[in-house]
Amino acid sequence: GQQVMQIPQYQHVQEGEDFTTYCNSSTTLSNIQWYKQRPGGHPVFLIQLVKSGEVKKQKRLTFQFGEAKKNSSLHITATQTTDVGTYFCAAASNAGGTSYGKLTFGQGTILTVHP
Amino acid sequence: EAGVAQSPRYKIIEKRQSVAFWCNPISGHATLYWYQQILGQGPKLLIQFQNNGVVDDSQLPKDRFSAERLKGVDSTLKIQPAKLEDSAVYLCASSLEWNPTYNEQFFGPGTRLTVL
Repeated sequence: GQQVMQIPQYQHVQEGEDFTTYCNSSTTLSNIQWYKQRPGGHPVFLIQLVKSGEVKKQKRLTFQFGEAKKNSSLHITATQTTDVGTYFCAAASNAGGTSYGKLTFGQGTILTVHP
Repeated sequence: EAGVAQSPRYKIIEKRQSVAFWCNPISGHATLYWYQQILGQGPKLLIQFQNNGVVDDSQLPKDRFSAERLKGVDSTLKIQPAKLEDSAVYLCASSLEWNPTYNEQFFGPGTRLTVL
């Protein structure tokens, strides 16, 4: 089945440093979503990317979808303590004829920010 | 707008016992999902409903897990009998309707299951 690899597994940064997490798939994706899960909380939707080469920004967060639609990245500029949490990519594929947006989540990147 | 509701929030059972979880999605959301999230991993889709029909249950261990969504609104997920490896957080999510360009899923707080 669909597999999504996400790296790194952990990232420790000092407040103000940048952070990037990467998501890779062996198959072409129809779209990719990013979620954030605070410690003890539930996943919260951040964004969805659909088009090849798409770049979207939300304040200090920049999301990219690769040209081949097999990889994606999330970059946070000048991290803050409020950015702490686990960031998941979630990939949707039309492989096998599925058409209802089944998501396969990566294992997540745990971000800690030291003040 | 009320979010996705789940109950109970915590459950501790012994192996071979049965357990049931309940989910009430956001009003008007046609699609409902049940995920299993084992500690340190991303959520894994167990079953996906579109209204009251199942559109994907390929990762549901059907020998012990069952789910239903009567009347296309709330849903229950049951495990019978439970095994130690079922210890996890069970997340329910809903989305307005399936859309290839926008399919934001809203997650509930989850039920943390511990099987002893």
